[in-house]
Amino acid sequence: QVQLVQSGAEVKKPGASVKVSCKASGYTFTMYGISWVRQAPGQGLEWMGWISVYNGNTNYAQKLQGRVTMTTDTSTSTAYMDLRSLRSDDTAVYYCAREVSGLHGEFDFWGQGTLVTVSS
Amino acid sequence: QSVLTQPPSASGTPGQRVTISCSGSSSNIGRNYVYWYRQLPGTAPKVLIYRNNQRPSRVPDRFSGSKSGTSASLAISGLRSEDEADYFCAVWDDSLSGVVFGGGTSLTV
Repeated sequence: QVQLVQSGAEVKKPGASVKVSCKASGYTFTMYGISWVRQAPGQGLEWMGWISVYNGNTNYAQKLQGRVTMTTDTSTSTAYMDLRSLRSDDTAVYYCAREVSGLHGEFDFWGQGTLVTVSS
Repeated sequence: QSVLTQPPSASGTPGQRVTISCSGSSSNIGRNYVYWYRQLPGTAPKVLIYRNNQRPSRVPDRFSGSKSGTSASLAISGLRSEDEADYFCAVWDDSLSGVVFGGGTSLTV
């Protein structure tokens, strides 16, 4: 069965970086994209960006351009999201989601979420 | 302020029919597929409706989606207590070149 398993919770200081991993199993990793979505405490969902696992192409939300990098390692079927220059308003649960190729917004499986807390 | 507008809350009694709206524009709902996600407290969202009105096999036919112009709706009939959750609409926005979510609607049964 399809599973996306994310790395554990992180606590970071303002200005630091965080790298969240998302290990996929149960399907051919290169046939789907991976999007990252975050949710601040008590707030709605915010799309952060997408990476094509097939060719590494990326598309980041305008708001996060320059601070976020998404990568994949096809040898281990793992996707990564790196967020730099962390601020307190980056505190959120970060989700990876499998995206049906060519259909942006169609997230058919999600990881369990990773809480990132940014605090001094 | 979300690009897509949803009512923050909705409510109904068991057995009733409730509708949740999602209002957008010509750059998003007007030309792209709409998706609906349901999120239970402390869990990841799950897709409820995809490509405007399609249901995954695990989703009962009490749930239906529709789209007209720059607005979309999620209808839930035969309301049940387990339908209490947050519901989000999502769509690709051509102007922003990104996926946008509605602010979410908290449903109380």
